[in-house]
Amino acid sequence: DIQMTQSPSSLSASVGDRVTITCRASQGISNYLAWYQQKPGKVPKLLIYAASTLQSGVPSRFSGSGSGTDFTLTISSLQAEDVATYYCQKYNSAPWTFGQGTKVEIK
Amino acid sequence: EVQLVESGGGLVQPGGSLRLSCAASGFTFSSYWMSWVRQAPGKGLEWVANIKQDGSEKYYVDSVKGRFTISRDNAKNSLYLQMNSLRAEDTAVYHCARVVGYCSGGRCYVGGFDIWGQGTMVTVSS
Repeated sequence: DIQMTQSPSSLSASVGDRVTITCRASQGISNYLAWYQQKPGKVPKLLIYAASTLQSGVPSRFSGSGSGTDFTLTISSLQAEDVATYYCQKYNSAPWTFGQGTKVEIK
Repeated sequence: EVQLVESGGGLVQPGGSLRLSCAASGFTFSSYWMSWVRQAPGKGLEWVANIKQDGSEKYYVDSVKGRFTISRDNAKNSLYLQMNSLRAEDTAVYHCARVVGYCSGGRCYVGGFDIWGQGTMVTVSS
């Protein structure tokens, strides 16, 4: 099975900073990748699918890029409300594996 | 309002069974792939199973194959997860989720979960 590895596992940044989270697949998955945000005590929220397509209603400071094995989620200007754990997920074929998550905090 | 509401969780002994249900409303249930996703306490997300719109295709994570069965009743706008031979490691909040469908370059795809239920807790313990 294809493994999904996120880095870093956690990060602390200041409001207004540019934040980048990386997700690496152990084999190529084309652009079959989604990103989620999960705030404490809440259900996950879809941010991006097809590696770079922003889900309706998601702020434009979120963006995704990549194809094949290497993917990136970028928050262009971190806001206090972005404190959450972020997950990538592949869906090219079963199993639709999630990454282990990246916890984002405010410095 | 588009909504998914799970039910059926609870405390069960190892080796026992539970049947989870997910009631969908606010959208045409029969038009979407659906999934179950679980999250153990303090842990990350784990995809469990998918089912196609008409139930003709089903996929499972290896750890539940042969023990869990996903099904749906489009007439009742409902998704189910029959869980047998439960183990302590199955303890988690179980969410049902709607799968995104999208088209690009003349082809259509499924992937990503755009609507999530609040989840139902399953605890496997003696």
